Amino acid sequence: EIVMTQSPATLSASPGERATLSCRASQSVSSNLAWYQQKPGQAPRLLIYGASTRATGIPARFSGSGSGTEFTLTISSLQSEDFAVYYCQQNNNWPPITFGQGTRLEIK
Amino acid sequence: QLQLQESGSGLVKPSQTLSLTCAVSGGSVSTAGYSWSWIRQPPGKGLEWIGSIYHNETTFYNSSLKSRVTMSVDRSKNQFSLEMSSVTAADTAVYYCARVSRYGMIPIWGQGTLVTVSS
Repeated sequence: EIVMTQSPATLSASPGERATLSCRASQSVSSNLAWYQQKPGQAPRLLIYGASTRATGIPARFSGSGSGTEFTLTISSLQSEDFAVYYCQQNNNWPPITFGQGTRLEIK
Repeated sequence: QLQLQESGSGLVKPSQTLSLTCAVSGGSVSTAGYSWSWIRQPPGKGLEWIGSIYHNETTFYNSSLKSRVTMSVDRSKNQFSLEMSSVTAADTAVYYCARVSRYGMIPIWGQGTLVTVSS
């Protein structure tokens, strides 16, 4: 089973700032990596798939990069609605589907 | 537009069986290439994949839950189901049904339903 590790656990940032979230896989997942955003009381929403492709309707301020074992989600200029929990998920070798433990992005 | 809606018992006693159903609208559980899945999230914690079932009823389960989990598809009702036996308080969570794409991403989720295990 591929283990996904996200860092940091919590990131504090201000609106307008750039946020960088990291995800590491225990073995190579090529570019088969997805990112999700989850707000309180809501289901996760797919943001990025294929490591760098934005899902339908996702604003351009969200971007993903990386391949192999190291991945990054960048939010270029934080908006108030971006403060949420973010999860990465590998879809290279599944099942099982495995998620990172999440990064909470909070307002500084 | 495909939509998923979970339903089932919100309160289950320890040692009993949790039963949930996910109704599919705007699409068919018989569509090939996708898997119909259950994912859970304990309060304040992360996401855990429980298992997936394909249109041909092939199933895959999380190895840590496999002995207690059964998933099924009901084509006549266009829904799929989860049963988890011998539940404990550790099974208290929001349970999501979801459709996993053929490439393994999860673009479609139900709204989630809270299941509490308590006597």
